[in-house]
Amino acid sequence: GAGVSQSPSNKVTEKGKDVELRCDPISGHTALYWYRQSLGQGLEFLIYFQGNSAPDKSGLPSDRFSAERTGGSVSTLTIQRTQQEDSAVYLCASSLGKPNTDTQYFGPGTRLTVL
Amino acid sequence: GQNIDQPTEMTATEGAIVQINCTYQTSGFNGLFWYQQHAGEAPTFLSYNVLDGLEEKGRFSSFLSRSKGYSYLLLKELQMKDSASYLCAVNPNNFNKFYFGSGTKLNVKP
Repeated sequence: GAGVSQSPSNKVTEKGKDVELRCDPISGHTALYWYRQSLGQGLEFLIYFQGNSAPDKSGLPSDRFSAERTGGSVSTLTIQRTQQEDSAVYLCASSLGKPNTDTQYFGPGTRLTVL
Repeated sequence: GQNIDQPTEMTATEGAIVQINCTYQTSGFNGLFWYQQHAGEAPTFLSYNVLDGLEEKGRFSSFLSRSKGYSYLLLKELQMKDSASYLCAVNPNNFNKFYFGSGTKLNVKP
């Protein structure tokens, strides 16, 4: 079946503009994660959605970052008034949402470049 | 805070065996994952450990010692395609929030 998809694959924007990144998780996966990966670095947790529960937003670096998940499926990560330090690859992952043994399946990522 | 430590980079020869270590200090423990990430691609799941001991999966094995806060990924019969970054991730609680190490870049040379 289809994996996790993300769009756009690449986004170049000017400093101060807003951007929206989209994630389509695997059908039936109740858990959805957003991560940020800077060049040569590990994954930085941003936000986690699980079913209808309130999202865990503890990883969002500032109030310029927000995310929604509509209908328990597609998610959008919005970055307002982008800054150059926001340049990174933004990865989305989904999983079945089972405790302990949950395996995450990652999308191909969106490479964001802020000029 | 949660700390996950891995070596930054390793080099090994095709056909050899390499061990990539991961140490962690976390508020709790509910499992440790290893992911492989080729340059410019998304991470893919390799292995999961929650109990002490060795889990073997073909050429790849992963070991866990909870008392030592330590895991390693063992890659046997290295192939050039194994050149990638290997990410260690820990789930410290039951809420599916994962903490990733910075990854170990493995270079396999002929």
